[in-house]
Amino acid sequence: DVQMTQSPSSLSASVGDRVTITCRASLDINNDLSWYQQKAGEAPKSLIYGTSNLQSGVPSKFSGSGSGTEFSLTISSLQPEDFATYYCLQYNRYPRTFGPGTEVEIK
Amino acid sequence: EVQLVESGGGLVQPGGSLRLSCAASGFSFSHHWMDWVRQAPGKGLEWVANINQDGSAKNYVDSVKGRFTISRDNARDSLYLQMNSLRPDDTAIYYCSESLIYWGQGALVSVSS
Repeated sequence: DVQMTQSPSSLSASVGDRVTITCRASLDINNDLSWYQQKAGEAPKSLIYGTSNLQSGVPSKFSGSGSGTEFSLTISSLQPEDFATYYCLQYNRYPRTFGPGTEVEIK
Repeated sequence: EVQLVESGGGLVQPGGSLRLSCAASGFSFSHHWMDWVRQAPGKGLEWVANINQDGSAKNYVDSVKGRFTISRDNARDSLYLQMNSLRPDDTAIYYCSESLIYWGQGALVSVSS
């Protein structure tokens, strides 16, 4: 199975900060990487697919980059509604595997 | 608007069975792969299974192979997950998803004696 890791596991940031979360795959997954946002008590929401493509309706403050085994999600200016847990997912191979999540908290 | 509504969750004893359903609307159901993803209490997301458009291809995570069966009824715009030989570590919220883009609100499955 492709193992996914995320760093950091949690972070504290202030409104307006630029935040970057890293996701690493145990082998090359091409660009088959998605990012999700999950708020407490809610279903996950798809933000980015194919490493860097924004889902419809997702604000441009979210951006994704990377290739091969290393990927990142950046939030350019953190807003109160962005405090949540973020997950990466590889869909290059079966089984699909998620990263363990990064919790973004208010400083 | 895409809507996915899960049903069929509940409390079941270890070794028991449960069938989850997912009613889809707002998109051409028969044209899309569908997935089930679960989340144990306080834990991260775990992909469980998916199925192709006509049901001829199915994939599972190893921990559910031989116990869970994914299926679909395109005439009813519905997705199913038959869960047999349930174990306490199957306790989770089960989400139905269209191609891992759109998600339902989830159904809680609790396995306990």
